[in-house]
Amino acid sequence: QKEVEQNSGPLSVPEGAIASLNCTYSDRGSQSFFWYRQYSGKSPELIMFIYSNGDKEDGRFTAQLNKASQYVSLLIRDSQPSDSATYLCAVKRGSTLGRLYFGRGTQLTVWP
Amino acid sequence: GAVVSQHPSRVICKSGTSVKIECRSLDFQATTMFWYRQFPKQSLMLMATSNEGSKATYEQGVEKDKFLINHASLTLSTLTVTSAHPEDSSFYICSALPSPSLWDKNQNANTGELFFGEGSRLTVL
Repeated sequence: QKEVEQNSGPLSVPEGAIASLNCTYSDRGSQSFFWYRQYSGKSPELIMFIYSNGDKEDGRFTAQLNKASQYVSLLIRDSQPSDSATYLCAVKRGSTLGRLYFGRGTQLTVWP
Repeated sequence: GAVVSQHPSRVICKSGTSVKIECRSLDFQATTMFWYRQFPKQSLMLMATSNEGSKATYEQGVEKDKFLINHASLTLSTLTVTSAHPEDSSFYICSALPSPSLWDKNQNANTGELFFGEGSRLTVL
């Protein structure tokens, strides 16, 4: 079983819709969870992090964490074409800060 | 925001040669940096943790003699791919973890937020 699993997509939504991205992880000891956005050929950029169960909102983005189900999600409201990218879920394991394991990423396309 | 610079952004080399990739934190100090490799349409695979002033910690399955990591200062880590072969062709990305003393006081110190370099695309002929 892979450390971090994501549906690779592609996920296609119309402009203005809600995009829902999902991620599961295998290690119950995982502590912090991150969502990164990566444009083709570019390095990842952080969107949000979450480490407590429940929802965390930041603008159009909402991260949801359920540690019991080992599940983390990202909702993008009012999706824009500029949101089209690959979204990477990352999980921190162990005591070393920044030591992240990434999922394969979900490719999102927002069409006008 | 914090800036991490990687150099070179693209490199093409012949099989059997060695290639060095630099990762610099430009406006902050980083005692810890990380090196990843990413194949097309695949995830970032953590290769090693680079610690300033000490040996790097390699992930399982990564050959430490092939991927030499040096972190000689608080702002620079280098990855050297030795005796490169075509299968080493990949996108190599570094990330840096700002040292706690330089974190914004409003940040939660436990997030371990990383700042990524722009990546280096290596092609081995």
